[in-house]
Amino acid sequence: EADIYQTPRYLVIGTGKKITLECSQTMGHDKMYWYQQDPGMELHLIHYSYGVNSTEKGDLSSESTVSRIRTEHFPLTLESARPSHTSQYLCASSAGLPHQPQHFGDGTRLSIL
Amino acid sequence: GDSVTQMEGPVTLSEEAFLTINCTYTATGYPSLFWYVQYPGEGLQLLLKATKADDKGSNKGFEATYRKETTSFHLEKGSVQVSDSAVYFCALYSGGSNYKLTFGKGTLLTVNP
Repeated sequence: EADIYQTPRYLVIGTGKKITLECSQTMGHDKMYWYQQDPGMELHLIHYSYGVNSTEKGDLSSESTVSRIRTEHFPLTLESARPSHTSQYLCASSAGLPHQPQHFGDGTRLSIL
Repeated sequence: GDSVTQMEGPVTLSEEAFLTINCTYTATGYPSLFWYVQYPGEGLQLLLKATKADDKGSNKGFEATYRKETTSFHLEKGSVQVSDSAVYFCALYSGGSNYKLTFGKGTLLTVNP
């Protein structure tokens, strides 16, 4: 089993609140990723990181921000949540070697009222 | 750019039926190919992979063969079980230092007893 953890698993919160979704991995992976999964199941990459102090925007524009201060930790923050942010957010990591797969957490299901 | 096209679902089968989920890809070079599975309420798990032409990936009774001539990586299982009900994603990695995967849109499989 992959050792990558996301908290909380579920979050229901009101509009305008600041939210941080946590993601941690114990595998020492350099590469980490955040995906947004819409109700139709499709995955959209919103952020990724090559390593500490390195973050990049993904293929889908997102109002969220990320940070990578420690190798094992890659939190995602929404400064002011809106109903359009309602979605499932999946975190993943990889060793960064060719042919190595990404390992996924169980996700955070976020609902903004 | 890279792309993955997989069979649209949902797919509904009876227990012990034969399963095929089609996946074709467009990529530069020689990509690695993956099938991921997402069970209800969970993140994605690697199901199988193939890293070069004619390789066959297999796991839990599922198989897929990397066909370069047809740019395909179809997923098959000879006899599905109710516990195989999940969303299946085909994905590829074609190189680059960020190790981003390109995913298909996912296929929902429901197996009835």
